[in-house]
Amino acid sequence: EAQVTQNPRYLITVTGKKLTVTCSQNMNHEYMSWYRQDPGLGLRQIYYSMNVEVTDKGDVPEGYKVSRKEKRNFPLILESPSPNQTSLYFCASRRAGVSGEQYFGPGTRLTVT
Amino acid sequence: QQQVKQSPQSLIVQKGGISIINCAYENTAFDYFPWYQQFPGKGPALLIAIRPDVSEKKEGRFTISFNKSAKQFSLHIMDSQPGDSATYFCAASIGGANNLFFGTGTRLTVIP
Repeated sequence: EAQVTQNPRYLITVTGKKLTVTCSQNMNHEYMSWYRQDPGLGLRQIYYSMNVEVTDKGDVPEGYKVSRKEKRNFPLILESPSPNQTSLYFCASRRAGVSGEQYFGPGTRLTVT
Repeated sequence: QQQVKQSPQSLIVQKGGISIINCAYENTAFDYFPWYQQFPGKGPALLIAIRPDVSEKKEGRFTISFNKSAKQFSLHIMDSQPGDSATYFCAASIGGANNLFFGTGTRLTVIP
């Protein structure tokens, strides 16, 4: 089954404790992205990657890091989480090309206390 | 600054009625306008999309109407069903670019 998987699905952590949210896709897509979803704000892009070792900032990159060492994986790293990073996070992927549909993972709900 | 403005925030429709969600944008470089549907606990999923070279696109009960001069587009759900109850997001991008700009979402409830 074609899918985007994220782990963990739920995470409660404390301020300053480094964490990583993993994302993996099995569709051989070139493009991968991370979004955060907040009430009243919709989804906002954090980082994206056009291929292995190629990443760039989205609209809200502050406080986040990413890496793309393999085509299928695109982890999101919070080196020092803060309460304002409490949010619902989605990973997405799509094939290269003008009309590529984005496929979203199931989401990771992060709470930083 | 919200690149894509969406309204209403919430919508309640009787079963069999028409649901209408509206979006507006400013950036005339946008050339791809998808609508995503999200059920609770799930990620958004593409519902229907349109490019600005057409004024309307229909897929089953779902229709996008696009008004290029007004920089507005809308989603119409005909014969709305309780199973359509979800949050709907409009979005826009340039050249199918990797960055989709999303609206703030509309929570649709269809009452049996």
